[in-house]
Amino acid sequence: GAVVSQHPSWVICKSGTSVKIECRSLDFQATTMFWYRQFPKQSLMLMATSNEGSKATYEQGVEKDKFLINHASLTLSTLTVTSAHPEDSSFYICSARIQARGYTFGSGTRLTVV
Amino acid sequence: TQLLEQSPQFLSIQEGENLTVYCNSSSVFSSLQWYRQEPGEGPVLLVTVVTGGEVKKLKRLTFQFGDARKDSSLHITAAQPGDTGLYLCAGAAGGSGGSNYKLTFGKGTLLTVNP
Repeated sequence: GAVVSQHPSWVICKSGTSVKIECRSLDFQATTMFWYRQFPKQSLMLMATSNEGSKATYEQGVEKDKFLINHASLTLSTLTVTSAHPEDSSFYICSARIQARGYTFGSGTRLTVV
Repeated sequence: TQLLEQSPQFLSIQEGENLTVYCNSSSVFSSLQWYRQEPGEGPVLLVTVVTGGEVKKLKRLTFQFGDARKDSSLHITAAQPGDTGLYLCAGAAGGSGGSNYKLTFGKGTLLTVNP
């Protein structure tokens, strides 16, 4: 149980285009979703925390206008990378906190901007 | 800002050897988790420790939470090639003060176990 389904698993896009990443909680309601970015062989860096029905809270240095987060329902949170550039190429991972059980992570999305 | 110092960052050992990974912080965490991550996949939870001084065992893996809940260690006995991966510690703050139970991750330990 407590599965977060993340799609797509990988995407290649042209520089200047936008890409949407979806995370769905399959068998529970995710009030809070966390979005991370991870570079090769490095740890996860928290980008933002999204709460259902309210604006996301972004970490220092993360451009909120570039990384749009929508958490309109208790089972879906999306991250849109707008006007993507090669430096946005990375591994993006979502995570949900499940009360009294801990955290569950999506399988990640490998974004390559060419 | 809570920081978790994880060491070593890279570790390459031979099959059968033992190893220990450390996570240290000046902050107190309500809980600390250890994850293992394979390339191209999300982290998978290994264990959560909550009580100061707690020791948990998972087959050949032994996890300890410091008495003051500021540090933790992961010890692997008789490492096998299948243990290869990125090991991450992550501390959870409480839910007060708007922290939303954010996880603070260590920098990770990339372990390679050679046959």
